Amino acid sequence: GAVVSQHPSRVICKSGTSVKIECRSLDFQATTMFWYRQFPKQSLMLMATSNEGSKATYEQGVEKDKFLINHASLTLSTLTVTSAHPEDSSFYICSARTRTGSMEQFFGPGTRLTVL
Amino acid sequence: QKEVEQNSGPLSVPEGAIASLNCTYSDRVSQSFFWYRQYSGKSPELIMSIYSNGDKEDGRFTAQLNKASQYVSLLIRDSQPSDSATYLCAVNFGGQFYFGTGTSLTVIP
Repeated sequence: GAVVSQHPSRVICKSGTSVKIECRSLDFQATTMFWYRQFPKQSLMLMATSNEGSKATYEQGVEKDKFLINHASLTLSTLTVTSAHPEDSSFYICSARTRTGSMEQFFGPGTRLTVL
Repeated sequence: QKEVEQNSGPLSVPEGAIASLNCTYSDRVSQSFFWYRQYSGKSPELIMSIYSNGDKEDGRFTAQLNKASQYVSLLIRDSQPSDSATYLCAVNFGGQFYFGTGTSLTVIP
């Protein structure tokens, strides 16, 4: 149980284009999903917290107009990197928390974004 | 400022030994603590969660929590080469996780 998927697993795009990453909870309903970014040899950095049906809460320093988050249902959240630039190249990982009240987060496999 | 600190390592232990990983956190209000394992190029995988003072054992893993000292640790008994990974400590602050920078563990056959 508690499986989270992400798609795509890897994406390469040109500078200036937009990229959408999907995060799905496969066998549970996730009221809250989280988006993280991880640069090489660094720890996970929380970008935003996404609650179903409401606007995402962004961490300080994360541009909400650049990183668009939509949590349309209890099993799907999307992150769109708009007008991507090479410095946006990173490992993007989503996680989800179940509705049971447990604080545990289950992570998706991550999306490796490379912006040329 | 919420801070979670870990020794970055690398920590090397021989196969069969006990690996000890440590984590300190800054906020006394925190109530839940987690250890994740992350292999290179992969996303984190939950190993243990601990909510109350003392020890919690699960197979070869034991998490230890001391809220008074704001300290949480992970012991890995009978370490195996497959345990070689980066171990992330996560502390729940108000519903959000804050991660340490991770400790790189290498188990030498």
